[in-house]
Amino acid sequence: DTAVSQTPKYLVTQMGNDKSIKCEQNLGHDTMYWYKQDSKKFLKIMFSYNNKELIINETVPNRFSPKSPDKAHLNLHINSLELGDSAVYFCAISDPGNTIYFGEGSWLTVV
Amino acid sequence: QKEVEQDPGPLSVPEGAIVSLNCTYSNSAFQYFMWYRQYSRKGPELLMYTYSSGNKEDGRFTAQVDKSSKYISLFIRDSQPSDSATYLCAMSASNFGNEKLTFGTGTRLTIIP
Repeated sequence: DTAVSQTPKYLVTQMGNDKSIKCEQNLGHDTMYWYKQDSKKFLKIMFSYNNKELIINETVPNRFSPKSPDKAHLNLHINSLELGDSAVYFCAISDPGNTIYFGEGSWLTVV
Repeated sequence: QKEVEQDPGPLSVPEGAIVSLNCTYSNSAFQYFMWYRQYSRKGPELLMYTYSSGNKEDGRFTAQVDKSSKYISLFIRDSQPSDSATYLCAMSASNFGNEKLTFGTGTRLTIIP
């Protein structure tokens, strides 16, 4: 059973479109994250949520809006997509010891 | 200067060799150190987690932390082709929930059969 599942795995879309990436966890942990990995493999935090409450917002453009409908889900909505948004987006969860587990990633390509 | 520096490689070694992967950091607030392995088209998976200076061993993997020099290493003994992946160091200031991880840029490792 996968602890963190993301959909879709691959997404190709045109500039200016709005898209969402969904994340679900089945471990019951309180904290969920979105990380972005660029083409050089650099992984950087975007947001963290604790029990549906936004905790970290790491200077991400407001075109990116995370939404946590419940403790098991953290979705990422992106408005007006730009070429520079092309990256791999990882959802992650942390256990009480702050060990972080990543999902498989969502490959976003903006054309 | 980035908070965490990691040699991007790529690094190619023959099967059976000892591999040494390294990161340096500038933020003395970092107290918790991790190594993640990332296979192509997959998410990072946690390999090692340590918070004290010294060595921690797990099978063929040894994580070494030197807080006085702000330097961490991952050693892989008897390297196997299945170890071919990108290795990312990561660190945080605390182990409380919500704490963000700061990553190095990753080192791409290839083990040649």
